[in-house]
Formats: sequence, C-alpha cells, structure tokens
Amino acid sequence: EDKVVQSPLSLVVHEGDTVTLNCSYEVTNFRSLLWYKQEKKAPTFLFMLTSSGIEKKSGRLSSILDKKELFSILNITATQTGDSAVYLCAVGIIQGAQKLVFGQGTRLTINP
Amino acid sequence: DTEVTQTPKHLVMGMTNKKSLKCEQHMGHRAMYWYKQKAKKPPELMFVYSYEKLSINESVPSRFSPECPNSSLLNLHLHALQPEDSALYLCASSQDGIRASGGPRGNEQFFGPGTRLTVL
Repeated sequence: EDKVVQSPLSLVVHEGDTVTLNCSYEVTNFRSLLWYKQEKKAPTFLFMLTSSGIEKKSGRLSSILDKKELFSILNITATQTGDSAVYLCAVGIIQGAQKLVFGQGTRLTINP
Repeated sequence: DTEVTQTPKHLVMGMTNKKSLKCEQHMGHRAMYWYKQKAKKPPELMFVYSYEKLSINESVPSRFSPECPNSSLLNLHLHALQPEDSALYLCASSQDGIRASGGPRGNEQFFGPGTRLTVL
C-alpha cells in the first residue's frame, strides 16, 4: 500500500525560529514529491521535487529530496505568523493515471 | 490565467436534492481531479480525468457522478447524498495526464478554492 508519513503532526514555535518538517514515503511508481501550504481553504503549491539532492528555494522556504532514503524535508527560516498553516506533503505516482498520495499534514503554529 | 475556479463557494442541500459542482481552468491542463476533504484531514482523491476520459475512480459511491464536458470544465453531479458527505470538495488540474509513452516525470496540481458542502 502506498504510504506518505509526515512528522511532526503538530509544531508550535516562536516568530523568528527555524523549523524543519519531515516527509517519508513508501510508494510504487514514484514520479515526484510535492509540498503544499493550506490555510483556511485550498492547498497552495510550494515545491515539486523530482531529483535527489537538488535544493529548491523560494524566499525563506527550501526543500530537498532524498530518493535513496525516501524522504524530503521542508525548511522555513525566520518564521513569521503568516507561516502558520497546515503543510501537506504529497507524492505523485502513476496508477493508471497520475495521482497524488497525501501525508496527514503538519500543523504549524507561529506565535508572536 | 493561472487559476482554477469553482462554483458555488458554499452549498447546502437536502438528502433528496440533486445539485452540481462546477470547476473550470484555462491553463491548457489536460488532467483534472476531484478531491474530498474532511476537517483536519488531507484531501482524499475521488476521480481523475486525463484527456477528458475518466482514468481513476477511487471506489466512490454512485451518488457522486463526475462529468468532463471539455478539457476546461469538470462537473460533479450530486444526488441522494448523506450527511456524512458534508465536506470541502476540491478541484485540481495539472498540465498533463499520463501518456502511453510514460508521460512527464511529474506535474504539480493546482487547486481551486473549493466548495463547502453541507448535507442536511
């Protein structure tokens, strides 16, 4: 069974801290790993990773994939209260068509 | 236009009603998806359309009926729903579905804002 596991499930930090969110996976027909941020409504796309060892960066957010050890991390530096959200990791697989298998999400709360 | 739109934003319906959810994208994407999301849970895939053909049905009850009239539009027809079907229904699209050749390595899915459905 295809599985994506995120940790921690919940994290509370102070503004300015750096956080690392983890995502491990066991799937067949891996195609990509994606990170999304979800506040009140729909998930918004952050990163897509397909190759090991290549860091993707966008402002204070960065992510990297290790296809040998089957995990990815999402780093957020100098956190702000606006970073409070649920962060979803999803793995793209092929099963007839392309689909995403989601982890449970990490609920991140940034306190001022 | 880099947006997926969904209507309505909110829907309240009785168990005997028939209603439809609509989704539209104008990014030229050829794969479209319906997800159901309950509170504090990740999105759960329901259907995938690839090149306007139904490619994946995740054993969804027949009271949910998807339709893809053209490459930009995706509907979800609802009939005789149960209160436990109340959820946020998300539509998503991605650049390409899977081709016979194996397709691209991966395509990010872009989500619409969702329809908050309440079944009374």
